[in-house]
Amino acid sequence: GAGVSQSPRYKVAKRGQDVALRCDPISGHVSLFWYQQALGQGPEFLTYFQNEAQLDKSGLPSDRFFAERPEGSVSTLKIQRTQQEDSAVYLCASSFIRGGDEQFFGPGTRLTVL
Amino acid sequence: AQKVTQAQTEISVVEKEDVTLDCVYETRDTTYYLFWYKQPPSGELVFLIRRNSFDEQNEISGRYSWNFQKSTSSFNFTITASQVVDSAVYFCALSIKHNTDKLIFGTGTRLQVFP
Repeated sequence: GAGVSQSPRYKVAKRGQDVALRCDPISGHVSLFWYQQALGQGPEFLTYFQNEAQLDKSGLPSDRFFAERPEGSVSTLKIQRTQQEDSAVYLCASSFIRGGDEQFFGPGTRLTVL
Repeated sequence: AQKVTQAQTEISVVEKEDVTLDCVYETRDTTYYLFWYKQPPSGELVFLIRRNSFDEQNEISGRYSWNFQKSTSSFNFTITASQVVDSAVYFCALSIKHNTDKLIFGTGTRLQVFP
């Protein structure tokens, strides 16, 4: 595919469940970002990978959030013991290299925690 | 600290009107990038433009134009002769060179264009 893809597009979880959100970046893109977008707000940075290295995880809201990109392509964002405040759209973006390149965004995963 | 402010929460116009979306940013860094993204109802963020801090030249792309003024820390976006398809939420964003390149977004401006 030509763009960034994310799965699932929608996820409903009961409070306390673990969830895993997947991101397939554009082939060849070195940088991968995860953002969280609450309703009516702008996206907020969660974490950043350069190839398989997680260089910045300063935006992860708690230790229940974990992200990985083991082979430098596909990435997974895992949320353990989900809480209602985790309900949001989770956006993945990739860019070719660093240095202010435009980031290409996926369609997002809408997570609803009941 | 870095910050992006989009003071206009929602703007409504009638088709063919011109509309300007305001963006004010804050940073102490001298090298940075500014972006505009469009988020239509489908939800996917669409890249519109990137500007680096050393290029204050205004840009025009079809009906879209951008005015970058470092003196007022503003990067405003104008749509000329708006169309219904322009209805979306528009985000202004900032990234700092050598700082992960993460995007710092404003809260967005919802533009509604009525026929």
